[in-house]
Amino acid sequence: NAGVTQTPKFQVLKTGQSMTLQCAQDMNHNSMYWYRQDPGMGLRLIYYSASEGTTDKGEVPNGYNVSRLNKREFSLRLESAAPSQTSVYFCASSGRANSPLHFGNGTRLTVT
Amino acid sequence: AQSVSQHNHHVILSEAASLELGCNYSYGGTVNLFWYVQYPGQHLQLLLKYFSGDPLVKGIKGFEAEFIKSKFSFNLRKPSVQWSDTAEYFCAVKGGDKIIFGKGTRLHILP
Repeated sequence: NAGVTQTPKFQVLKTGQSMTLQCAQDMNHNSMYWYRQDPGMGLRLIYYSASEGTTDKGEVPNGYNVSRLNKREFSLRLESAAPSQTSVYFCASSGRANSPLHFGNGTRLTVT
Repeated sequence: AQSVSQHNHHVILSEAASLELGCNYSYGGTVNLFWYVQYPGQHLQLLLKYFSGDPLVKGIKGFEAEFIKSKFSFNLRKPSVQWSDTAEYFCAVKGGDKIIFGKGTRLHILP
């Protein structure tokens, strides 16, 4: 049982380049989330998806887009990367209404 | 809009000292509350959660938290910390389907 799988683990981009972070969960969870973690800022919610076919903005959505491809997969896209997007990105999923988050192992992204 | 505030950014304690980390939230409806811990180089792990019922919840590793609705608080406690509790601690609030985190408290335990 893999849980939440994120790819890639590391990525270096130049300013202006684009990329997609992939996330898949095999726990049949309805809700999925993308967070970024920066020192002293905690985890900040970028986007979330309460169910297949729906997405909603979180606290810091600017510069990002998401796709809930199906129930398993929730991708995060940076169309034109900026140095301010250098961060560690975590995908997470949650099942029933009162269940906690299950996290992936994170993607460390550096934008130069 | 919901928000979470953790008052202590960095806490240093000696082993066997008692711990209390503050967490306050704002949200207009029913909330679910969580504390997570992040050890260096790892992702977040759930310490404990509150959904309903007894406002005093017990979690793993001897941690507990008390939900005080009138104060919008969910403080984390441990009677006697160990060196292995050195980590960063995050309070989180779930309102509807949205889950947001506080900025975290970095806890350093002196041996």
